[in-house]
Amino acid sequence: EAGVTQSPTHLIKTRGQQATLRCSPISGHTSVYWYQQALGLGLQFLLWYDEGEERNRGNFPPRFSGRQFPNYSSELNVNALELEDSALYLCASSLVGSSEQYFGPGTRLTVT
Amino acid sequence: AQSVTQLDSHVSVSEGTPVLLRCNYSSSYSPSLFWYVQHPNKGLQLLLKYTSAATLVKGINGFEAEFKKSETSFHLTKPSAHMSDAAEYFCVVYGRLSGGGADGLTFGKGTHLIIQP
Repeated sequence: EAGVTQSPTHLIKTRGQQATLRCSPISGHTSVYWYQQALGLGLQFLLWYDEGEERNRGNFPPRFSGRQFPNYSSELNVNALELEDSALYLCASSLVGSSEQYFGPGTRLTVT
Repeated sequence: AQSVTQLDSHVSVSEGTPVLLRCNYSSSYSPSLFWYVQHPNKGLQLLLKYTSAATLVKGINGFEAEFKKSETSFHLTKPSAHMSDAAEYFCVVYGRLSGGGADGLTFGKGTHLIIQP
């Protein structure tokens, strides 16, 4: 069974640009979560989508947004990129109502 | 809201010796607890989970953890370290996120495990 997949593996953008990151959950999982892992800040919860709806978001500005498609894949958009947005962005998926999340390999975003 | 504290930012052991990674949690109700491992430049892999069944939980790669409610601890152990165990380990609690709203995962800051040859 395929795990959580993310694309691209690496993404290099300049300050002020927009970045789009993609995630495909494990088959049968309807919940998708996004996390930011920035150097020195640990893993921080960004967004949670389930059944196409945003269920919860962490303490991040509105320029971090996303959506979930009918096939449960998800997209994270970061607008007006800032240098401090450079981080590993991890996507996870779970069965609805389950606390057990499975993580993808991440997308390394570098903002120059 | 729940929280989790990993007591050591770095742990160094020799190959073949026991591993102990310490974690304390805070939760207003019976928690679900997890340990995840992250190898360099990789995503997180679930090692084991505790969900109010047996207090001693066995995971993958020979790791296990013991839930001690009286001590609010969930320490991770392995009898004999292997070079491939070198990685970052995260203790995680599932429950009400800070700021209210829905439940979710709260991560500790991680423990970097170093294996000396």
